[in-house]
Amino acid sequence: DGGITQSPKYLFRKEGQNVTLSCEQNLNHDAMYWYRQDPGQGLRLIYYSQIVNDFQKGDIAEGYSVSREKKESFPLTVTSAQKNPTAFYLCASRWDSGSSYNEQFFGPGTRLTVL
Amino acid sequence: GENVEQHPSTLSVQEGDSAVIKCTYSDSASNYFPWYKQELGKRPQLIIDIRSNVGEKKDQRIAVTLNKTAKHFSLHITETQPEDSAVYFCAARVGGSNYKLTFGKGTLLTVNP
Repeated sequence: DGGITQSPKYLFRKEGQNVTLSCEQNLNHDAMYWYRQDPGQGLRLIYYSQIVNDFQKGDIAEGYSVSREKKESFPLTVTSAQKNPTAFYLCASRWDSGSSYNEQFFGPGTRLTVL
Repeated sequence: GENVEQHPSTLSVQEGDSAVIKCTYSDSASNYFPWYKQELGKRPQLIIDIRSNVGEKKDQRIAVTLNKTAKHFSLHITETQPEDSAVYFCAARVGGSNYKLTFGKGTLLTVNP
C-alpha cells in the first residue's frame, strides 16, 4: 500500500470556505492524478499532472485548482465555487517510463464533508 | 472523449459460482484496459489489465477478455469467495501522449457464503 499518502483522512468544511487536500508520494512517480468518487458515479478525473510545473484539466475541473511545484506533491484545493464538494477524493500516481501500460497507484483517500 | 459503460451495477452470487462484469467503450483508439478492485473504505487496487493487442489474459481465478471489434471487455471471476466481495471498476485509456483513464461507474459484487 505504501508510497502515496493523503491527509487528512476526514475533512469538514463550512460552505463558502476553500480547503486544500494533501497528496504526497515517495515512489518517484512522474504523473499524479486527482479523482472524485461519488456513490454510483465511479471515479471521475479532476486534474492530472505528467510533469512538475505542468497540469491539465480532467473531466470535472470546475471549482477545483491544483499545483505541482514538486515532483512528490500534488495538492488539490476545493474552492467555494464547487457547488457540491462533499465526496471522497482519491489521489493517484504513476511512473512514466515512456510505457503506456504502467500501473496507476491510488492513495487512501480523503473524505470531505461540507456542513 | 472516451465513455465507458459498466454492467451490472450490482451482482450477487453464491460462493463458488462465477461472476462476470462487462464494460463497453466508445473510442476505438483505446489501447489499455485495467480492472480495479475497491474493498469497503479502502483504495482501489489493480487486479488485472489487458492491452489491445491481446484477446484474453488470466491470473489464477480472474480473467479478462477483450473484443476490439465490438469494443467491449469483460472480467471473469471463477470459484468466487467471500473475500471477492468489493466494488470493481473497469477503465479504458485512449492511446496518445496524455495518459489518463476513463472509469466505468463500478459493480458492487457480493459473494454470499
